[in-house]
Amino acid sequence: DGGITQSPKYLFRKEGQNVTLSCEQNLNHDAMYWYRQDPGQGLRLIYYSQIVNDFQKGDIAEGYSVSREKKESFPLTVTSAQKNPTAFYLCASQGERGMNEQFFGPGTRLTVL
Amino acid sequence: QKEVEQNSGPLSVPEGAIASLNCTYSDRGSQSFFWYRQYSGKSPELIMSIYSNGDKEDGRFTAQLNKASQYVSLLIRDSQPSDSATYLCAVNFYGNNRLAFGKGNQVVVIP
Repeated sequence: DGGITQSPKYLFRKEGQNVTLSCEQNLNHDAMYWYRQDPGQGLRLIYYSQIVNDFQKGDIAEGYSVSREKKESFPLTVTSAQKNPTAFYLCASQGERGMNEQFFGPGTRLTVL
Repeated sequence: QKEVEQNSGPLSVPEGAIASLNCTYSDRGSQSFFWYRQYSGKSPELIMSIYSNGDKEDGRFTAQLNKASQYVSLLIRDSQPSDSATYLCAVNFYGNNRLAFGKGNQVVVIP
């Protein structure tokens, strides 16, 4: 079954802690993306990676970090430097090059206590 | 600043009617256009992709693209209660591998 998985589904964090959100895909897609969604808002791009061992900052990268050591995996770390981390985090991968279609995982809802 | 605008407020339509959603974008060179459906608490699901001017139909959904006027629309025919969701417009701006998203339009289908 091809798809994108994210874990955990819900995550609670204390202030000052770093947390890592997992994103895995078995679609053989090259490009992967992390978005943040706040209530009533559109999706804002945090980081993206078009190829293994390379990634670029999106529009709101401050307080986040990523790695892309394997094609299938693109984990996101929310650091203590992120001032308002409570949000719905969505990972996506992009299919056929040139078509730009992105497909989303189920998301992780992060709450800072 | 490259932008995608979805300005309409929540849209309420009776079951069986046509729901019409509009989206405008700022970059005339945009190449690819998408509509996503997002149920409350869930992730977005791609429902339509359109790349050239004109209409594209898929079941009860029709996407319409007018590059000269820089807008893309989505029509939902024979609206069903299961169509009640937020619909996100997304645009790929020329020269990069990213999508820009509008804030979405909520559709409520009234039985």
